[in-house]
Amino acid sequence: QVTLKESGPGILQPSQTLSLTCSFSGFSLSTSGICVSWIRQPSGKGLEWLATICWEDSKDCNPSLKNRLTISKDTSNNQAFLKITSVDTADTAIYYCARSGDYYDGTYYPYWGQGVMVTVSS
Amino acid sequence: DIQMTQSPASLSASLGETVTIQCRASEDIYSGLAWYQQKPGKSPQLLIYGASSLQDGVPSRFSGSGSGTQYSLKISSMQTEDEGVYFCQQGLKYPLTFGSGTKLEIK
Repeated sequence: QVTLKESGPGILQPSQTLSLTCSFSGFSLSTSGICVSWIRQPSGKGLEWLATICWEDSKDCNPSLKNRLTISKDTSNNQAFLKITSVDTADTAIYYCARSGDYYDGTYYPYWGQGVMVTVSS
Repeated sequence: DIQMTQSPASLSASLGETVTIQCRASEDIYSGLAWYQQKPGKSPQLLIYGASSLQDGVPSRFSGSGSGTQYSLKISSMQTEDEGVYFCQQGLKYPLTFGSGTKLEIK
């Protein structure tokens, strides 16, 4: 059974660095084909893909965040991480980690964490 | 980036009614499209992938179709549990992008 759970600071101030952790079970990020992504959703709004890391350590990040993102993993502890530097109020959102499925024709997400709320406020 | 445009932004349907939601991509995404349902306070749930394949466990009243840049999600007989927000997502190329969502309510 695949489960994912996000954790984060809850509240942080503008200009600080946001650090998020995704702890998962039911799969390994060292298994061929497995990737974990971060996706966020401001309250009442749509979904924004942020970054993906895969089993062989390939990484993709959303260029709209202009090099503020760093994604990494700890395979032995079944965790993935996301850092966002220089946060501002526009980064206030629910942050989800999600695992993509084994689909030949695209990247889709059958597995999601419950999400963690992050508020940026002075 | 591939832009995903969803319509309508909201709609209401009676029990048993057929509902259709549209999604248009800014370029050909070769059926690399998914549909998700999200209920208040919950994570999105994958309904359809590859434009028309039903995810395991999803009721058969949900179906997807389309090709090229135009796609649609159909609910053949609206049920109360189908209330929620529906998003499309292109899975063809990074950055992955989502539609803005369609809020579906019972009339």
